[in-house]
Amino acid sequence: QQPVQSPQAVILREGEDAVINCSSSKALYSVHWYRQKHGEAPVFLMILLKGGEQKGHDKISASFNEKKQQSSLYLTASQLSYSGTYFCGTQETSGSRLTFGEGTQLTVNP
Amino acid sequence: DAMVIQNPRYQVTQFGKPVTLSCSQTLNHNVMYWYQQKSSQAPKLLFHYYDKDFNNEADTPDNFQSRRPNTSFCFLDIRSPGLGDAAMYLCATSRGTSWDTQYFGPGTRLTVL
Repeated sequence: QQPVQSPQAVILREGEDAVINCSSSKALYSVHWYRQKHGEAPVFLMILLKGGEQKGHDKISASFNEKKQQSSLYLTASQLSYSGTYFCGTQETSGSRLTFGEGTQLTVNP
Repeated sequence: DAMVIQNPRYQVTQFGKPVTLSCSQTLNHNVMYWYQQKSSQAPKLLFHYYDKDFNNEADTPDNFQSRRPNTSFCFLDIRSPGLGDAAMYLCATSRGTSWDTQYFGPGTRLTVL
């Protein structure tokens, strides 16, 4: 079951904040976040496991609410280098395949 | 640096002409994956190997085959490429259990004429 990401696209000015959401209609075991710049390979950001954890990575953090079957990625004080397409990948059980959402295109302008 | 390497980065082939894409890794990971990614879409898993065990996705066309002769190398063979097979092909690896953090190669952009 492919997760649904929102918004599909967002445009920011440098220094602004953004939130990207990833939702599933099924119970989730884990959520993975990747960023892909145009013409490049996806790069791993973080994994969140069920248990409602939250993780941080410089000014990028994420939460996972397993009851709502939803994860959110928070980008704080965005930098130009944050531009790219953000994909969430979800896993329904331990060992099951990872299914990617359609992606959220983030553009940070000066 | 340990990494995932894909060759070639750009591949042009003719309609129906077999093509092979290669992936190598220096991470000594057990699992290797092949994804197809079309423009502005999510990566779509084609198949993966856990060591020598091959796992094909149900909706992967028969036109796509894979070989993993050893831990380091994995190949994607497209037997008769069609125009719809033009895409970026991404190879990824993960360390132990399936679905650990995946490390992606730079991809091969396939054009079918």
